Amino acid sequence: TQLLEQSPQFLSIQEGENLTVYCNSSSVFSSLQWYRQEPGEGPVLLVTVVTGGEVKKLKRLTFQFGDARKDSSLHITAAQPGDTGLYLCAGTQGGSEKLVFGKGTKLTVNP
Amino acid sequence: DAGITQSPRHKVTETGTPVTLRCHQTENHRYMYWYRQDPGHGLRLIHYSYGVKDTDKGEVSDGYSVSRSKTEDFLLTLESATSSQTSVYFCAISVRDRVETQYFGPGTRLLVL
Repeated sequence: TQLLEQSPQFLSIQEGENLTVYCNSSSVFSSLQWYRQEPGEGPVLLVTVVTGGEVKKLKRLTFQFGDARKDSSLHITAAQPGDTGLYLCAGTQGGSEKLVFGKGTKLTVNP
Repeated sequence: DAGITQSPRHKVTETGTPVTLRCHQTENHRYMYWYRQDPGHGLRLIHYSYGVKDTDKGEVSDGYSVSRSKTEDFLLTLESATSSQTSVYFCAISVRDRVETQYFGPGTRLLVL
């Protein structure tokens, strides 16, 4: 059973379009993180959200943590080819020393 | 860049041979992690360490062992490699002992024939 479900699994859009990626769970998380990974490289941390309802913005990327701290979303405005990559959500629960990862959303932005 | 290097970056080996992957950090972080990444499975934790000689198992630890004799080095050993261990292996560190703030190395691509 996957603790964090990401959707969609694949997304191919045209440059300039908006998109939203979801990360859902039936469990409560202390925090959720979003990573971006390019081919042949390790994941790079984009943001951490810790408070229910929290919204963080990183240029054209908007991250939201659900009020019940069970889900998160990543919204990209006016996507660019440079946004292409694998987007991973991850979370921590209670006092755990471990991160749990979703399987990722592979985004392709076509010029 | 959190000062993490992994070696080797690529390795091809044969079934049944031992393999050791090395993760090296330059910033003295206490927590270090080993993950594997496979299509359809995402990133899965193999083992982690919370200090010198202090290690614990992750989700997929069978067939793997780890050692940490120095703060800066975390070694992952496949005692007898199998084809199911063909994967990309990533090392990560936690900044300020915060599990949610992990930074990853560049990865090691391992092929077991």
